[in-house]
Amino acid sequence: SQTIHQWPATLVQPVGSPLSLECTVEGTSNPNLYWYRQAAGRGLQLLFYSVGIGQISSEVPQNLSASRPQDRQFILSSKKLLLSDSGFYLCAWSAETGSVWNEQYFGPGTRLTVT
Amino acid sequence: GQNIDQPTEMTATEGAIVQINCTYQTSGFNGLFWYQQHAGEAPTFLSYNVLDGLEEKGRFSSFLSRSKGYSYLLLKELQMKDSASYLCAVMDSNYQLIWGAGTKLIIKP
Repeated sequence: SQTIHQWPATLVQPVGSPLSLECTVEGTSNPNLYWYRQAAGRGLQLLFYSVGIGQISSEVPQNLSASRPQDRQFILSSKKLLLSDSGFYLCAWSAETGSVWNEQYFGPGTRLTVT
Repeated sequence: GQNIDQPTEMTATEGAIVQINCTYQTSGFNGLFWYQQHAGEAPTFLSYNVLDGLEEKGRFSSFLSRSKGYSYLLLKELQMKDSASYLCAVMDSNYQLIWGAGTKLIIKP
């Protein structure tokens, strides 16, 4: 069966500090990978998605970046955090594009507070 | 632009039935998803509709009308653990999910 891991679960960082959140998927190959951010009481905002190694699409201009160094690894980074970067960050995966069933499976999330 | 609309909050009584509506306007349609999200947790999948009609899964059912751009999630025999946010999401022609802001459902005893 497939599992998705995210860490850390919670993070408190000062403004201007760097960020690195990691997500790994097990039990599947060539998944689509996604990074979302959810502000308190709000819907999901898609930040990045990737259909393969080294292939990253950015949905929202911001000071965040993403990388996919391995097939089942997705990393969200920032060089300098802003207060507005606080939120609940969710990693998700789905079967490769074109599959009949494209349900997204979510990791447990990282709650980031920028102080 | 692409848009998903659902009520912000609803309140229902334990044991009752509640219907959460979702209307959408998207570039293309490859299915509609409902997810449940408890406070502080990740969303979990509830249902998927790609054809018109009703899909039933235990106490939960989901309905879709593609011509009207409309779906609803029906929850029967409400339990306190059903208190959560319910997210509607539509897959567009590029196989990207467009998410609604979610409906917070409050269950009262």
